[in-house]
Amino acid sequence: QVQLVQSGAEVKKPGASVKVSCKASGYTFTAHYIHWVRQAPGQGLEWMGWINPNSGGTNYAQKFQGRVTMSRDTSISTAYMDLSRLRSDDTAVYYCARDLRPYQLNSLDVWGQGTTVTVSS
Amino acid sequence: QSALTQPPSASGSPGQSVTISCAGTSSDVGYYNYVSWYQQHPGKAPKLMIYEVTKRPSGVPDRFSGSKSGNTASLTVSGLQAEDEADYYCSSYAGSNNFVFGTGTKVTVL
Repeated sequence: QVQLVQSGAEVKKPGASVKVSCKASGYTFTAHYIHWVRQAPGQGLEWMGWINPNSGGTNYAQKFQGRVTMSRDTSISTAYMDLSRLRSDDTAVYYCARDLRPYQLNSLDVWGQGTTVTVSS
Repeated sequence: QSALTQPPSASGSPGQSVTISCAGTSSDVGYYNYVSWYQQHPGKAPKLMIYEVTKRPSGVPDRFSGSKSGNTASLTVSGLQAEDEADYYCSSYAGSNNFVFGTGTKVTVL
């Protein structure tokens, strides 16, 4: 079945970087955009950006530009989200999610289980 | 890009209907028919319930329906059931390859 499996929880110090992985299975990895969404404790969902696994092209929410890098390795059907210069308010659950329609931006139909990133000194 | 505006809470008794609004602007909800709705139970990942304003993915009960008028989209849950108690988020394409989520609504089944 179609699924996205994310890497495990991370604890980082302020100023450090974190890299979260998202392994896809059950579908053609290069056919669907991968989005990243985060959720701070007790807060709502926040869209961070997407990567086109086919071309490697990316688009980031303005809030994260300069701090986030999304990449992929098509040989292992895995997408990555790297967030640098971490602050305490980056503490959140980070989700990857697949876009519904092939080669289009539409909606997020399959979600990873989430990766908790804790930023604390 | 500002978050779409949703009421913080909504409630209804079992069997009743509840409608959640999602207010955007003429640059997102009002312009594009790419409004989606997500259900999230505590500690779980969100689940897609509605896409392209009115469409339901396979497996989503037809008790869930979506609509849009002007800059405001709505999700209606008819015949409320205990398992519908969850947080609900709207989302819209906002142009320039960007997306935006709503502020979220907690639905309580009384």
